[in-house]
Amino acid sequence: DAMVIQNPRYQVTQFGKPVTLSCSQTLNHNVMYWYQQKSSQAPKLLFHYYDKDFNNEADTPDNFQSRRPNTSFCFLDIRSPGLGDAAMYLCATSRRNQETQYFGPGTRLLVL
Amino acid sequence: QKEVEQDPGPLSVPEGAIVSLNCTYSNSAFQYFMWYRQYSRKGPELLMYTYSSGNKEDGRFTAQVDKSSKYISLFIRDSQPSDSATYLCAMRGSGGYQKVTFGTGTKLQVIP
Repeated sequence: DAMVIQNPRYQVTQFGKPVTLSCSQTLNHNVMYWYQQKSSQAPKLLFHYYDKDFNNEADTPDNFQSRRPNTSFCFLDIRSPGLGDAAMYLCATSRRNQETQYFGPGTRLLVL
Repeated sequence: QKEVEQDPGPLSVPEGAIVSLNCTYSNSAFQYFMWYRQYSRKGPELLMYTYSSGNKEDGRFTAQVDKSSKYISLFIRDSQPSDSATYLCAMRGSGGYQKVTFGTGTKLQVIP
């Protein structure tokens, strides 16, 4: 089945220790998104890629970076995680900008 | 005022009840309206996708959009315990890249 896969599902890191979350898709979609979702809150868009074009949201902290080495994979790098970065990180894809987004299962990040 | 307002619940109903979930919004440019279902510690799953005003039915689910009132609804008929989840409304404008704006979600519990 075509899908969006996120690894790991759970990640524990230490305060200030860099961490990388990964997302892969078999849908062959052009657009990949990273969202941050905290408990009982709406998903918050961090950035998205349209093909190789990177689009950062204005309020995304510099601590968050992303890489998309090819169509199938996208990575979220948190350079120096703080306690406030503990959240669920959701990857989503869409065929084009205007079309429906399909979400992966998420990676739950815990910062100690 | 948030662009999208959604009652967080929780909403508890007995099995078999008709459930009504609602969102209001302030941005008249929104044209596309979605409902996502999110089980605990999982990614959102698209349930319904509608364009502009009107109704759309899919099995036990009916989505309604009233653009004049800036109000959207999701009805679930014959609710089942497996419907217990958080329901997120989402919406965006049309033309070019338009960020999806999510509600904070309504937590639904269907009691057997």
